[in-house]
Order: sequence, then C-alpha cells, then structure tokens
Amino acid sequence: SQKIEQNSEALNIQEGKTATLTCNYTNYSPAYLQWYRQDPGRGPVFLLLIRENEKEKRKERLKVTFDTTLKQSLFHITASQPADSATYLCALDNGGGSYIPTFGRGTSLIVHP
Amino acid sequence: GAVVSQHPSWVICKSGTSVKIECRSLDFQATTMFWYRQFPKQSLMLMATSNEGSKATYEQGVEKDKFLINHASLTLSTLTVTSAHPEDSSFYICSAPQGKVPYNEQFFGPGTRLTVL
Repeated sequence: SQKIEQNSEALNIQEGKTATLTCNYTNYSPAYLQWYRQDPGRGPVFLLLIRENEKEKRKERLKVTFDTTLKQSLFHITASQPADSATYLCALDNGGGSYIPTFGRGTSLIVHP
Repeated sequence: GAVVSQHPSWVICKSGTSVKIECRSLDFQATTMFWYRQFPKQSLMLMATSNEGSKATYEQGVEKDKFLINHASLTLSTLTVTSAHPEDSSFYICSAPQGKVPYNEQFFGPGTRLTVL
C-alpha cells in the first residue's frame, strides 16, 4: 500500500541549530514533492517544491533534498528561530499526470529560545 | 502570493442541520479547487476536487450526497455538509492551485472548524 511517513514525534531543538525533518514514501512515483508549514488551527502554507529530476532546492534558510532512489526527502531549516515552531507537512503526487498532492501527517518542530 | 479565503472560520451546529462553507480565491481565478478534511494530529485528507462549471470529483469513501460541492464561478466553491452528525466535526480546508497542471503550489484557505453537537 502507499504510505507517506513523517516522524510523528515532535522535534525539539535549540535556537540557532539546524532542524532536519524527514519524509519517506512507499509505492509512489512522484513527479514532485512539496513542503508546507501549518500553524495550529490554520491552513497549510506552501514553502518549497522539488521535482523528481532535482536533487536539492534552497530558499533563504530552507533547503530540501529529494532522493528518488531512497524514496526520501529531507527538509532543513538553518539558524532556526522560535518563530519556526510549527508542523511541517510533506506532500507528493502520485505521478501519472494527476498532480494532486497527498499529504503526510506532518512533524511538529519546536525551537526553544 | 495568492490569497484564498474561507467563510465561516468556525461553526457550531445541531445534529441534522446543514452547513455551507465558502471558499474564495481573492486575487486569481481558480478553475479547480480542492476540499480537504483534517482530524486532530492527522494528515489532510482530500475529499473532492471541485471543477468550475462541472461536477466535482469525489475521493473514494466520500459520500457525494452528504458533501455537496458547487463551483459556480472561477473564484468561488462551496461545500455543504448535509444532515451533519457529530462524526462530521472536523477542520475543513480548501485550496486552489494557481495556473494549470502541473501545479507548482497550492494556496490554502485558513480552514473552517465545524463542530456538530
């Protein structure tokens, strides 16, 4: 069966450190993978998209890697700040031209001052 | 960035009543919108794809007669939860991709918290 797995345990880190979140998937052949941020009681906010033929993407303090062999994406936030505390969702499509993303459960990041 | 609004942001209703949720794209046209449901600490579950001027496409297991979707214009999609029951209590979120397939990103509304008593 198809699965998108994100660590269900919250990630606690100290301010200034790099946060690394993982997204693993099974039985998908995605054309792209996206990362979103969701704050409590709010809709997700798009952060980054990386396509199947890309290895790495950066945007300001954010970096995403995509390894289609390992079926894994890593999401990094460098120089983390308490304001980065939120739940981060990965989403990927099923290939085949549908382009409708399916979401993982998300990982909660808590950055301590 | 593009803005998607939802109304109401929260609603409490009695069991058996119907509730309508509106999703609007404020500064762009959306021929397609998506409706999701999210239970606490769970992932967003796609309920249906709303298509302007045609019938919505429902995901497996979602009752189309219970969750009525109308996409009457390029900026408005509505979700009506008919004969709501306590198990329908959830966080309902709409989204709209900007542009055409393949979508680069989706813009999400702020969500609607539905509580059915």
